[in-house]
Amino acid sequence: DAGITQSPRHKVTETGTPVTLRCHQTENHRYMYWYRQDPGHGLRLIHYSYGVKDTDKGEVSDGYSVSRSKTEDFLLTLESATSSQTSVYFCAINSVDNSPLHFGNGTRLTVT
Amino acid sequence: GQNIDQPTEMTATEGAIVQINCTYQTSGFNGLFWYQQHAGEAPTFLSYNVLDGLEEKGRFSSFLSRSKGYSYLLLKELQMKDSASYLCAVEAGSYQLTFGKGTKLSVIP
Repeated sequence: DAGITQSPRHKVTETGTPVTLRCHQTENHRYMYWYRQDPGHGLRLIHYSYGVKDTDKGEVSDGYSVSRSKTEDFLLTLESATSSQTSVYFCAINSVDNSPLHFGNGTRLTVT
Repeated sequence: GQNIDQPTEMTATEGAIVQINCTYQTSGFNGLFWYQQHAGEAPTFLSYNVLDGLEEKGRFSSFLSRSKGYSYLLLKELQMKDSASYLCAVEAGSYQLTFGKGTKLSVIP
């Protein structure tokens, strides 16, 4: 989807290093979300944002932090990456609370 | 807590009809989504049900029974390109969707 971009698309990092994933949208949508997807677990919500500087925790937030200083950008930070954080990370956006999510293309993160 | 169950895998023949079931037990219910996800790609929206009944959208239909905690996605005239994972997701409160683990559908000639 041209309206939502994730970077990087792939990253390999070592245990203990900090990692930041970026989600950028051009749709001016209020709500932004970070999910992780793992085999056998499906998509699980990490953190979400309902406006600039307004964020909250999801189901699997331990070890992650987020920031949203502008409407268009939502950053996910792993302060000290662990092997259990190896996953595919998806950013998603929607304009109102119960409208369909539009997903970015994902970031495949490997922590060695 | 939230619990969403769907079959892990299904196989169907090109041109046939397939029904993918989803049962849920959630604290609260606002609506139910179905998403399609091809391997290595992002999920894309298929349907949204709030009220009981059938919603038809081309070859795809989705059904909801709120009293039974049950939904299904019906795919007609299956095509090879329908091979994908189908994700059931329940909205039980503000901002948060809970996803099932997904059903991997393989369409064979």
